[in-house]
Amino acid sequence: AQTVTQSQPEMSVQEAETVTLSCTYDTSENNYYLFWYKQPPSRQMILVIRQEAYKQQNATENRFSVNFQKAAKSFSLKISDSQLGDTAMYFCAFMKLAGNQFYFGTGTSLTVIP
Amino acid sequence: DSGVTQTPKHLITATGQRVTLRCSPRSGDLSVYWYQQSLDQGLQFLIQYYNGEERAKGNILERFSAQQFPDLHSELNLSSLELGDSALYFCASSVEYRVETQYFGPGTRLLVL
Repeated sequence: AQTVTQSQPEMSVQEAETVTLSCTYDTSENNYYLFWYKQPPSRQMILVIRQEAYKQQNATENRFSVNFQKAAKSFSLKISDSQLGDTAMYFCAFMKLAGNQFYFGTGTSLTVIP
Repeated sequence: DSGVTQTPKHLITATGQRVTLRCSPRSGDLSVYWYQQSLDQGLQFLIQYYNGEERAKGNILERFSAQQFPDLHSELNLSSLELGDSALYFCASSVEYRVETQYFGPGTRLLVL
């Protein structure tokens, strides 16, 4: 079975600063996808960034980047130049390449302080 | 706006009742997924349909059922409701049935009293 662990229930960061959210996962699969989703107070789930396990290069999307360490089964999200609109719950998710089911972590609540 | 729509936004009902949640996927997406997000259990995958057929089942109770119609919209039916069914129910869609980014709708908040 696949498990996703987010060990930081809550985090805060000053506006314009950088913050890193941690995620680890456990799987016996070699090929899979990893995702970070953002859930603002509106509760809608918004895709932030996606990483294919077969790609060594870390994914980046504007101010968002990941540090993907396959051997360590670690997938952290770095948010640079934090903005007030980044305040949200962030979920790490795993999907097997041969499957179609997401496995989500329990989320990290991020607050950006003005 | 992800392009996925869900109705209703809020639903309040009583124990023992039955409700239907509706989801319209993004234009062109053939796959629909249903998730339940409760306070104590996080986000749980329920079921997936692809082009009208069931493709995957997760932690879906027997009291729950779903279907996808020829126009690709999907409905999640919840029956014999219990207090513990109170949650946020998300629908997501993707183009293919596997290995594809899923786009989530705004969710339906269900409160069972």
